[in-house]
Amino acid sequence: QKEVEQNSGPLSVPEGAIASLNCTYSDRGSQSFFWYRQYSGKSPELIMSIYSNGDKEDGRFTAQLNKASQYVSLLIRDSQPSDSATYLCAVNKDSNYQLIWGAGTKLIIKP
Amino acid sequence: GAVVSQHPSWVICKSGTSVKIECRSLDFQATTMFWYRQFPKQSLMLMATSNEGSKATYEQGVEKDKFLINHASLTLSTLTVTSAHPEDSSFYICSAPRVTGGTEAFFGQGTRLTVV
Repeated sequence: QKEVEQNSGPLSVPEGAIASLNCTYSDRGSQSFFWYRQYSGKSPELIMSIYSNGDKEDGRFTAQLNKASQYVSLLIRDSQPSDSATYLCAVNKDSNYQLIWGAGTKLIIKP
Repeated sequence: GAVVSQHPSWVICKSGTSVKIECRSLDFQATTMFWYRQFPKQSLMLMATSNEGSKATYEQGVEKDKFLINHASLTLSTLTVTSAHPEDSSFYICSAPRVTGGTEAFFGQGTRLTVV
C-alpha cells in the first residue's frame, strides 16, 4: 500500500461544476496535509494546507480533512478551464519537513 | 511572489559535462531543502535532502557522487549533475519548507536539463 494514494485520473469536469479530488494516507500519525497544483512543465504550486479535522475554505477551494478515515479532499467550485492541471496531495508525518507525495490526479475542465 | 528561486530555468549541455543548479530561499532561512526529479508524465521523485552545514541525505538509488549537493548557507543549496548523460535529462525541482504556524513547502521554478 502506498503511503499517499490518489486516483491518477484523468478526472473530467464540465466548466462551472464542482471538481472533487480525493487522497488517502496510511500513517495515522500524519499531522499536516497539503494540496499542490502542477501545470505541465511547471513546478508545483501550493494551493491549500490543512492541519485539523474539518473544512478549510479559500476562495473557490475547500480542503476537507478526516483523520479518523485518513482522508483528505479538495473541492474546486465553479471550475474553470484554467484549473486543468495535475493536483498533488502531500502529507507531512513528522518534524523533518519531508513531504510524502501522492502520484497526482490529472484534472481536465471542459468548456 | 516567489519565495524560492531556482536557476537556471533550463539548460542544455553536452554529455560528460557538469551542470550546477542553484536554489535560493528569498525571504526566509532554510536549513533543509529538498531536490526532486520529475520525468515526463511521472510524479515527483525525491532525490535528496540538503542540510545546511552537513552532508546531504540521498534517497535509495540516487548516486551521491553523481549528484553533488552543497548547502553552504541558510538560503542557498546547489545541485551539481556531474558527467551528465542523456538519461539525466529531466526536470529538476528544489523545495524549501517555511515554518509559518504550520510547515509549508515552496518550490523553485524548476530546471529543465537536456543532455545532448
